[in-house]
Amino acid sequence: ETGVTQSPTHLIKTRGQQVTLRCSSQSGHNTVSWYQQALGQGPQFIFQYYREEENGRGNFPPRFSGLQFPNYSSELNVNALELDDSALYLCASSLAGGGSSYNEQFFGPGTRLTVL
Amino acid sequence: AQSVTQPDIHITVSEGASLELRCNYSYGATPYLFWYVQSPGQGLQLLLKYFSGDTLVQGIKGFEAEFKRSQSSFNLRKPSVHWSDAAEYFCAVGWRANNDMRFGAGTRLTVKP
Repeated sequence: ETGVTQSPTHLIKTRGQQVTLRCSSQSGHNTVSWYQQALGQGPQFIFQYYREEENGRGNFPPRFSGLQFPNYSSELNVNALELDDSALYLCASSLAGGGSSYNEQFFGPGTRLTVL
Repeated sequence: AQSVTQPDIHITVSEGASLELRCNYSYGATPYLFWYVQSPGQGLQLLLKYFSGDTLVQGIKGFEAEFKRSQSSFNLRKPSVHWSDAAEYFCAVGWRANNDMRFGAGTRLTVKP
């Protein structure tokens, strides 16, 4: 069973640029959630994708967008990067509709984004 | 509003001493409760979780946590801390009705020799 993987590991961008981060979900999982963890803070929920549709969103502006593909992998896109977007971006996968009471999320190692 | 509070930003303990990290949540129903550990520059590692049943939960690395419904708390404990336990610890809460997890701000643990 393959765990959650993310790419790239590290990324440096300049203000105003656009960035795409990628996530491969754990084998058998159909749901992907994205979190932003700024330095010294806990992760903050960005959004979740299920069956290729956005299925919940946190308090993030529209320039944060995402995609989920038929193989359940996902992308996080951030447009017009700002300095405050510098953070560790975590992806988590889970299985919705599997009959359990709670869809436990399994986290990837994260992508460290630095905006200069 | 749903929230998770970790009152202690930073805790320092001596190696071999006991440890308790506090976590409180606010929500009407019983949530699903988690503790994660994060070493510098790393992702999140799940230490333990509580879904239902016995309110004392055993996790990896000798950690345990106790769910107290009356206090809306889920404190993490370890009887004897090792230097390798130095890291950031996050309490997290999930709700069946929601799709997201809410994390506390974290507690940084320093272990003195």
